[in-house]
Amino acid sequence: AQKVTQAQTEISVVEKEDVTLDCVYETRDTTYYLFWYKQPPSGELVFLIRRNSFDEQNEISGRYSWNFQKSTSSFNFTITASQVVDSAVYFCALQRDDYKLSFGAGTTVTVRA
Amino acid sequence: DTAVSQTPKYLVTQMGNDKSIKCEQNLGHDTMYWYKQDSKKFLKIMFSYNNKELIINETVPNRFSPKSPDKAHLNLHINSLELGDSAVYFCASSPIRGVNTEAFFGQGTRLTVV
Repeated sequence: AQKVTQAQTEISVVEKEDVTLDCVYETRDTTYYLFWYKQPPSGELVFLIRRNSFDEQNEISGRYSWNFQKSTSSFNFTITASQVVDSAVYFCALQRDDYKLSFGAGTTVTVRA
Repeated sequence: DTAVSQTPKYLVTQMGNDKSIKCEQNLGHDTMYWYKQDSKKFLKIMFSYNNKELIINETVPNRFSPKSPDKAHLNLHINSLELGDSAVYFCASSPIRGVNTEAFFGQGTRLTVV
């Protein structure tokens, strides 16, 4: 069985603060894929990043960065200098070769002006 | 152009009714999915089709029946709607099975059963 845990239910920060979202996963597969999706208040699901299990290189995209550590089964997401538009629910997800995405429960991020 | 489109966006209906949600993707993808998001925001897969063939069928009541007339469409029909069916239903698609890529989601259909 595979499982994705996002222990933080809600995070509230003031604009320009950094915020890190934790994601811990469980799987017995050697090949798997990890994702982050954003769900803004408008409701759609927006893809942010994909990582395969063999690529532990961290990634930075603008104010977003991701830290993948296979040794601790974690794939954490940091928003630097947060903005009000970053307010959303963020989902971490794990996918195996059967293409079934298993989502974490989501972390609601609220950025206050 | 919308990549994955669902209709309707909102659906309010009475218990016991039968309703359908339509999904179309213009990305040329082979694989399509239905996900359900409950009131606590939890997302769970329901079905997946690859080139019109059912490949994933999670534990979903028989009242839910997906139909894929062609690989660009995956509709969801729900019989005898119950209060507990109220949720947001997302359609998604991804390219050829076996290729590492993300799923593209539709905008969701908010179903409210009263």
